[in-house]
Amino acid sequence: DQQVKQNSPSLSVQEGRISILNCDYTNSMFDYFLWYKKYPAEGPTFLISISSIKDKNEDGRFTVFLNKSAKHLSLHIVPSQPGDSAVYFCAASVVHSPLQGAQKLVFGQGTRLTINP
Amino acid sequence: SQTIHQWPATLVQPVGSPLSLECTVEGTSNPNLYWYRQAAGRGLQLLFYSVGIGQISSEVPQNLSASRPQDRQFILSSKKLLLSDSGFYLCASGTGFYQPQHFGDGTRLSIL
Repeated sequence: DQQVKQNSPSLSVQEGRISILNCDYTNSMFDYFLWYKKYPAEGPTFLISISSIKDKNEDGRFTVFLNKSAKHLSLHIVPSQPGDSAVYFCAASVVHSPLQGAQKLVFGQGTRLTINP
Repeated sequence: SQTIHQWPATLVQPVGSPLSLECTVEGTSNPNLYWYRQAAGRGLQLLFYSVGIGQISSEVPQNLSASRPQDRQFILSSKKLLLSDSGFYLCASGTGFYQPQHFGDGTRLSIL
């Protein structure tokens, strides 16, 4: 079953405008959420995260919003730049092995963001 | 900051051949280590994780196995590869609760 879903496989945004990437989840036990950015033939790069005790976290041009009642996560990029063109994955965390801090990340399918000049 | 090294970057193997992918981590000690696979057009799926030397947990039944012979070394293996083992394999390192995992650049494995 798909516990984390990114329903938009692709998104095209004009340079300078806002990019909004969405993510839905089904497991109410998730308590930590992350966004990763991935270029072709490279590993994902961590962008920003949020724990379930917050509803917003901001880091420069990137803001993540969490709506726990709707089980919905979004990433806002303002302003969008050509270098933001990449595949974006949202991930949710279920803590395993509580004594040792291992976390299992469950990923969405990814959204390909294209920033047009 | 930690760096995750994976090799090789690309690998083409015949069906039935063995596999060994290696991952090493720099810049941290006693990390939690993870192997993920990304199939074409899909998200990343967790295969194995390890909280210490010799400690391996498997997330999905499959043709692969993992080992952790040293604190910062994680190996993914198979005795006989299947066509369905093709994919992009990523090693990740994490340091604890509510901390992001950091990924290597992955190995693209193609089975012929």
